[in-house]
Amino acid sequence: GEDVEQSLFLSVREGDSSVINCTYTDSSSTYLYWYKQEPGAGLQLLTYIFSNMDMKQDQRLTVLLNKKDKHLSLRIADTQTGDSAIYFCAPRTRGSTLGRLYFGRGTQLTVWP
Amino acid sequence: DTGVSQDPRHKITKRGQNVTFRCDPISEHNRLYWYRQTLGQGPEFLTYFQNEAQLEKSRLLSDRFSAERPKGSFSTLEIQRTEQGDSAMYLCASSSRTAREEETQYFGPGTRLLVL
Repeated sequence: GEDVEQSLFLSVREGDSSVINCTYTDSSSTYLYWYKQEPGAGLQLLTYIFSNMDMKQDQRLTVLLNKKDKHLSLRIADTQTGDSAIYFCAPRTRGSTLGRLYFGRGTQLTVWP
Repeated sequence: DTGVSQDPRHKITKRGQNVTFRCDPISEHNRLYWYRQTLGQGPEFLTYFQNEAQLEKSRLLSDRFSAERPKGSFSTLEIQRTEQGDSAMYLCASSSRTAREEETQYFGPGTRLLVL
């Protein structure tokens, strides 16, 4: 299977940018997703990037993909207190059966006012 | 609301009891996934359906777990003889190959199970 690693915690001040990093092991990953999870809730899809792209911008979100290093990052511009949550990157690999996603432990983002 | 729904949202049960959870996917989605998330961890894949066929089961899915999707719409996940280690959030997700966002999985709110 795929191993996914993320830093467990990130703290930023409101208005600053946040950068959440993710590394994965399977170079055949095709789509790489970012999900957000608020306390006690399910996962909310934020954005995704296809493996033949190296950058994708979606409003305040910028995803960067370094396929050679198997490194993915999510930048949140002008971070707000409402962005406080756990963020998961989730690769979907070509080898994975029928689209299952692999998750790491996620990054807890705390935004201070 | 046309998102994925799950019922119940919370379940408390005593060890040894059976529990059943339901998931209603987004209506046009033919693929349905179950994941389990324990405290402080990311979701782990349990099983997958395409229409009514269960096509994959994780090693995490012991004999006490069974999932069905009888008409290719809603799905149920049953846990028999629950154990304290089954306490977790059970998440359902659905996807469709026909969408532009190919295979993007949309998650429901989850069912939080506590086994006493």
